[in-house]
Amino acid sequence: GAVVSQHPSRVICKSGTSVKIECRSLDFQATTMFWYRQFPKQSLMLMATSNEGSKATYEQGVEKDKFLINHASLTLSTLTVTSAHPEDSSFYICSAWRTSSGELFFGEGSRLTVL
Amino acid sequence: KQEVTQIPAALSVPEGENLVLNCSFTDSAIYNLQWFRQDPGKGLTSLLLIQSSQREQTSGRLNASLDKSSGRSTLYIAASQPGDSATYLCAVVSNDYKLSFGAGTTVTVRA
Repeated sequence: GAVVSQHPSRVICKSGTSVKIECRSLDFQATTMFWYRQFPKQSLMLMATSNEGSKATYEQGVEKDKFLINHASLTLSTLTVTSAHPEDSSFYICSAWRTSSGELFFGEGSRLTVL
Repeated sequence: KQEVTQIPAALSVPEGENLVLNCSFTDSAIYNLQWFRQDPGKGLTSLLLIQSSQREQTSGRLNASLDKSSGRSTLYIAASQPGDSATYLCAVVSNDYKLSFGAGTTVTVRA
């Protein structure tokens, strides 16, 4: 079946540094990918929709200069958390939309801890 | 705006009992509906996808039904096992391809 790979699965960084998370669709091309944030015991919060070759669409309240999204190819989208602070610590999950079946596939998530 | 509600929020059953998880949505103009499983600290695993033209989907012990007119989907898990313990999420894709998630039902199956 289709697989979405997310890397790294865990990252710990110091406050003020930037962290990049990658999301790859391994066996299908994804023109649209999504980035979510999940707080403990809560559901997923959509942060932004990443469209290949164009700017991402951010949800209300999400700082686009803080969370940079790049979707440079049909199989890769990246989320960069810039100048990370402890309040950015969270579980970030990506998903890719397989157009042929209208199905969403999710990555395993990335646990970010900012010290 | 599509709103997705999952009831109950948590469920605890003894092993062997059948599970019934409910998902309701406010806008019946949907593209499809998908059920996911999430284990603690992990990403989401797709369980079943129901297209808007379908009424149900089955995979092993899992069966999901869809009633668009009433805005409901139900996930049935037969003969539950401790390994079924997880959070189950319902996601609705509207005709404009926007996604809406329910808050999930956390299931505990007691051995």
